[in-house]
Amino acid sequence: ELKVEQNPLFLSMQEGKNYTIYCNYSTTSDRLYWYRQDPGKSLESLFVLLSNGAVKQEGRLMASLDTKARLSTLHITAAVHDLSATYFCAVEGIETSGSRLTFGEGTQLTVNP
Amino acid sequence: DADVTQTPRNRITKTGKRIMLECSQTKGHDRMYWYRQDPGLGLQLIYYSFDVKDINKGEISDGYSVSRQAQAKFSLSLESAIPNQTALYFCATSDPGPKGGELFFGEGSRLTVL
Repeated sequence: ELKVEQNPLFLSMQEGKNYTIYCNYSTTSDRLYWYRQDPGKSLESLFVLLSNGAVKQEGRLMASLDTKARLSTLHITAAVHDLSATYFCAVEGIETSGSRLTFGEGTQLTVNP
Repeated sequence: DADVTQTPRNRITKTGKRIMLECSQTKGHDRMYWYRQDPGLGLQLIYYSFDVKDINKGEISDGYSVSRQAQAKFSLSLESAIPNQTALYFCATSDPGPKGGELFFGEGSRLTVL
């Protein structure tokens, strides 16, 4: 059974600082996704990582995937208040009925002025 | 208009009532999913469907049923609602391929069972 763990689960940081969110998973996969969720809202796709060593960047966020270590990171550079949200990673696993995503618990990020 | 539309967006009901949440999509995707989100928790998969004739149970299917009426429509039913089914429910679609199988989510249906 595929398990996905994120840490930290809660992150409070100051504007202008850097930090990294980690996503570990338990079985072989080379497809990983990052989503953002604002309170009470839907999930918005941020990054699609499809191979070992994949790196994607958008603004102050950069995501990477190491399939050998079964680890993805979401790095935040010079945080701003608008990045406050909950971030989820999701890993695509293969099952008998086909592939589907398993989500981590989410990291609730608060960026303080 | 949203590509993945859920109705109702909010619903308050009483224990024992039958509730249906509906989802329709205009993305043309074959795969559709129902997830549940509890406060402060991640998403748990209830049911998923890879095409009109295919229905699969997810992690937490007990107390729920689904119907895939057409490629574009996937409904979730709670036959006899109970308070611990109070949650935010999301419908999602996907079209896996070389560019990945990312999910596209609806806006969510907030259900409260009293």
